[in-house]
Amino acid sequence: AQSVTQPDIHITVSEGASLELRCNYSYGATPYLFWYVQSPGQGLQLLLKYFSGDTLVQGIKGFEAEFKRSQSSFNLRKPSVHWSDAAEYFCAVVAMDSSYKLIFGSGTRLLVRP
Amino acid sequence: ETGVTQSPTHLIKTRGQQVTLRCSSQSGHNTVSWYQQALGQGPQFIFQYYREEENGRGNFPPRFSGLQFPNYSSELNVNALELDDSALYLCASSRGGENTEAFFGQGTRLTVV
Repeated sequence: AQSVTQPDIHITVSEGASLELRCNYSYGATPYLFWYVQSPGQGLQLLLKYFSGDTLVQGIKGFEAEFKRSQSSFNLRKPSVHWSDAAEYFCAVVAMDSSYKLIFGSGTRLLVRP
Repeated sequence: ETGVTQSPTHLIKTRGQQVTLRCSSQSGHNTVSWYQQALGQGPQFIFQYYREEENGRGNFPPRFSGLQFPNYSSELNVNALELDDSALYLCASSRGGENTEAFFGQGTRLTVV
């Protein structure tokens, strides 16, 4: 069965520092992968997605992610974090059944130090 | 193009009651999925509706039920509410298929007391 692991529950970075959030997935074939961001009490906003092709994917708000099949990873990166990036980040994989539902990781909460 | 809207935004119910949550899908989308997000956790798939038919269900009991209407809006009904049903309920709409992205509403915060 497909699954997603986000090993870091919390990450704290200083404003202006670089960021990498880890995501590992379990899936037999080429996965469809997503990163979503959620501000407190809000819904989910799509940051970026990987379906196929170039393994380095660019998203909104200056985020990027790299798909590494050999490591079953899809880590999210940003070169310089802004205070407004503080939020919860979720990695998700599409389940290849009739529903193509999203299977989410447990999330990583990002805290930004001024 | 209107986004996904959910109503109400918050509500409080008593254990044993029934609740109906509503979702209007994004224009052009024929698929609606519902997710439950408990505090501090990732969203969990409840079920999906595609062209008014249930098209997949997660590990939730039958007291969680749904509908999709001809305009592709949807309802989530929960009977016999339990304290553990307290969560953020998220609706997502999409065009359907494996490589289409889901757009989420702002969610309904349900508190069961």
